[in-house]
Amino acid sequence: GAVVSQHPSRVICKSGTSVKIECRSLDFQATTMFWYRQFPKQSLMLMATSNEGSKATYEQGVEKDKFLINHASLTLSTLTVTSAHPEDSSFYICSAAISTGGGYGYTFGSGTRLTVV
Amino acid sequence: QQQVKQSPQSLIVQKGGISIINCAYENTAFDYFPWYQQFPGKGPALLIAIRPDVSEKKEGRFTISFNKSAKQFSLHIMDSQPGDSATYFCAPNDSNSGYALNFGKGTSLLVTP
Repeated sequence: GAVVSQHPSRVICKSGTSVKIECRSLDFQATTMFWYRQFPKQSLMLMATSNEGSKATYEQGVEKDKFLINHASLTLSTLTVTSAHPEDSSFYICSAAISTGGGYGYTFGSGTRLTVV
Repeated sequence: QQQVKQSPQSLIVQKGGISIINCAYENTAFDYFPWYQQFPGKGPALLIAIRPDVSEKKEGRFTISFNKSAKQFSLHIMDSQPGDSATYFCAPNDSNSGYALNFGKGTSLLVTP
């Protein structure tokens, strides 16, 4: 089945630094990648949608200058948290929509636990 | 806009019991009704899904019941096991849109030994 590999699984960074999270589609081409954020005991909240070769579309309330998304190839999408602060500590998950001929299916990365100290 | 309402928020079931989680939606364009299972520290994984042309789908101990007129669907876990302890999300969607999934708020299930 379609697999999205997400790295790193855990990262701790100092306040004010930047962190990059990568999601790679291993056996398919991901035209569209979604980035979610999940706080403890809460649901997944969509942050942005990225399409290969174009600018990402951000959800209302998500700072595009803080959460930089790059989707330069069909197999790699990255999320960079710039000037991270403790309130950015969260679980970040990527997801790819896959056209199956009978509609779209979705596959998820394993998530990245970001802790900003 | 609250398109998806999931209940209960948490559930405790004894081993061998039946776990039931419900999801109500508003968008009549939805044509795909999945349940996702998420373990701590992991991304969600598709557990079972149903299309609106059937009212029930069973896969092993997991069953989806679908009520199109009521715009509701539910997940039933028969003979619940401690390994089923996880968070469950419904995410009904328009499968032809390719849009991001809109998740319910989740149900934290604990199956006690």
